[in-house]
Amino acid sequence: EAGVAQSPRYKIIEKRQSVAFWCNPISGHATLYWYQQILGQGPKLLIQFQNNGVVDDSQLPKDRFSAERLKGVDSTLKIQPAKLEDSAVYLCASSLGGTGGFNEQFFGPGTRLTVL
Amino acid sequence: AQSVSQHNHHVILSEAASLELGCNYSYGGTVNLFWYVQYPGQHLQLLLKYFSGDPLVKGIKGFEAEFIKSKFSFNLRKPSVQWSDTAEYFCAVAGNTGFQKLVFGTGTRLLVSP
Repeated sequence: EAGVAQSPRYKIIEKRQSVAFWCNPISGHATLYWYQQILGQGPKLLIQFQNNGVVDDSQLPKDRFSAERLKGVDSTLKIQPAKLEDSAVYLCASSLGGTGGFNEQFFGPGTRLTVL
Repeated sequence: AQSVSQHNHHVILSEAASLELGCNYSYGGTVNLFWYVQYPGQHLQLLLKYFSGDPLVKGIKGFEAEFIKSKFSFNLRKPSVQWSDTAEYFCAVAGNTGFQKLVFGTGTRLLVSP
């Protein structure tokens, strides 16, 4: 079974530039998550999709971050404009979904963003 | 609000030593508890989980964790570590209703010397 795919794996940009990350979840997984992991910290949930609808974006800095999941499959996360403090690893995860019981989240390899 | 504290940021052990990594959580309700591991160059993956029942749970590669409700703790243990256990370990908590948002601790970086 193919895992969660993310691209690019690494990205270096200058502050005030824009950047986009792509995620392809495991086939059949209804729930998709984007996490931000700053060096020395644990992953922090930015946004959670159930199919193509947003169920939690309370920690997404909406003035500069946006995400979409068209057709309920792939997802993109965009930062515009980037700030130095956005340097982090951006992780995508997916799970089968649903609100009953626990659905294990499977993580992708992440995209390491460096903002200069 | 949910929060997770991991007390040890860096741990260095020799092979065959015993391991215990501390994890305390704060959550106002019934929780699900997890330990995730990230080996060098690999994805974050689930090591073990606790939902209910026996508070001593066993995971992959000989790891176990004990849920102590009165102490709000979920410590990870392994009797004898191997060099291949070198990794970063994250404790996480989620509620058992709704969409199961995971809240992670800051992680513990374990280095096992051969």
